[in-house]
Amino acid sequence: AQKVTQAQTEISVVEKEDVTLDCVYETRDTTYYLFWYKQPPSGELVFLIRRNSFDEQNEISGRYSWNFQKSTSSFNFTITASQVVDSAVYFCALSSNSGGSNYKLTFGKGTLLTVNP
Amino acid sequence: KAGVTQTPRYLIKTRGQQVTLSCSPISGHRSVSWYQQTPGQGLQFLFEYFSETQRNKGNFPGRFSGRQFSNSRSEMNVSTLELGDSALYLCASSLGLSIDTQYFGPGTRLTVL
Repeated sequence: AQKVTQAQTEISVVEKEDVTLDCVYETRDTTYYLFWYKQPPSGELVFLIRRNSFDEQNEISGRYSWNFQKSTSSFNFTITASQVVDSAVYFCALSSNSGGSNYKLTFGKGTLLTVNP
Repeated sequence: KAGVTQTPRYLIKTRGQQVTLSCSPISGHRSVSWYQQTPGQGLQFLFEYFSETQRNKGNFPGRFSGRQFSNSRSEMNVSTLELGDSALYLCASSLGLSIDTQYFGPGTRLTVL
């Protein structure tokens, strides 16, 4: 079975602070894919990044960066110099073929990030 | 390119009724997945369709069903609605393979009274 744990339910920061959202995953597969999605109050899930299990390079995209560490089964997301517009629920998700069924996306419970002005 | 569209955006039904939700994928995408989002259970996978065939199914009762048409558009149906079916239903499309990135629509907010 596959599982994603986002231990931080809510985080509140002041604008311009850096913030890291934690994600820990479980899977028995050697090939799997990790994702981060953002859900603003409008409700639509917005794709942010996808990583496969064979690519442990960290990635930076503007103020966003991701740290993938297979040794600790973690895929953490850092927002540098946070802005009010970053306020949203952020979901980490895992896609793997556990149990022989087709790949399906399993989401964590999400982290509500509030950036205060 | 237009994103995933879902209709209707909001729906109010009463217990015992049935409901049909519609999803139009991104042009060229052949796979459609459905998810239920509730405050208590979070985001849960319902099912996935590819080329009009159900490819994967989550742990939901048989009251939840879906289908996909030849143009990749998909519908999901919930029969004999229960109060607990109140949720945001999200549709996602991807190119084809299960490993492809899924892009989500705005969702349909279903309220069961």
